[in-house]
Amino acid sequence: DQQVKQNSPSLSVQEGRISILNCDYTNSMFDYFLWYKKYPAEGPTFLISISSIKDKNEDGRFTVFLNKSAKHLSLHIVPSQPGDSAVYFCAPMTSGTYKYIFGTGTRLKVLA
Amino acid sequence: DTAVSQTPKYLVTQMGNDKSIKCEQNLGHDTMYWYKQDSKKFLKIMFSYNNKELIINETVPNRFSPKSPDKAHLNLHINSLELGDSAVYFCASSQGVRNEKLFFGSGTQLSVL
Repeated sequence: DQQVKQNSPSLSVQEGRISILNCDYTNSMFDYFLWYKKYPAEGPTFLISISSIKDKNEDGRFTVFLNKSAKHLSLHIVPSQPGDSAVYFCAPMTSGTYKYIFGTGTRLKVLA
Repeated sequence: DTAVSQTPKYLVTQMGNDKSIKCEQNLGHDTMYWYKQDSKKFLKIMFSYNNKELIINETVPNRFSPKSPDKAHLNLHINSLELGDSAVYFCASSQGVRNEKLFFGSGTQLSVL
């Protein structure tokens, strides 16, 4: 039962260009969405979040877009930097359930 | 000063053994979690405690028993280890339970031989 899918296991982008990471979900009850970044041998770290009452949230170089009707979430990184090379997980949750459901992650490689 | 620390970082053991993983957070958070990342890289919640009270207990074999002596600590004890228990186990904490971001430890790589 894979409620959250990140269909691109990996993505390579040139430094300075835009990185777009996608996440699709099936559970319409999800109402809060987070993105995490993970470096090797470290735990995931929080990146950015969005509530279902919004369709966009921006924080510096990172912007998350939410399309509720399509059950689709995307993370844009502009401009991409080599230090952004990591695995990115989307993690939606339904308020009141207390648990985030993590996607399988997309490995981003930013080429210098 | 590490916010969420878990020990050991690596754990190699034989089938049938009993082992524990310890987790401590110094963030003053009320809620702590155990997540398991399996070989397919799925990161799945196992347990969650809020103020030492168990609030999430996913369909995890009862060989896994969490213990929270206080709200800064959440330990995971595993009895009769099996090959399929090999995974990376992450401890995490959050300020509360409502739409709060998680702070993760660096993980414990468990290998059962």
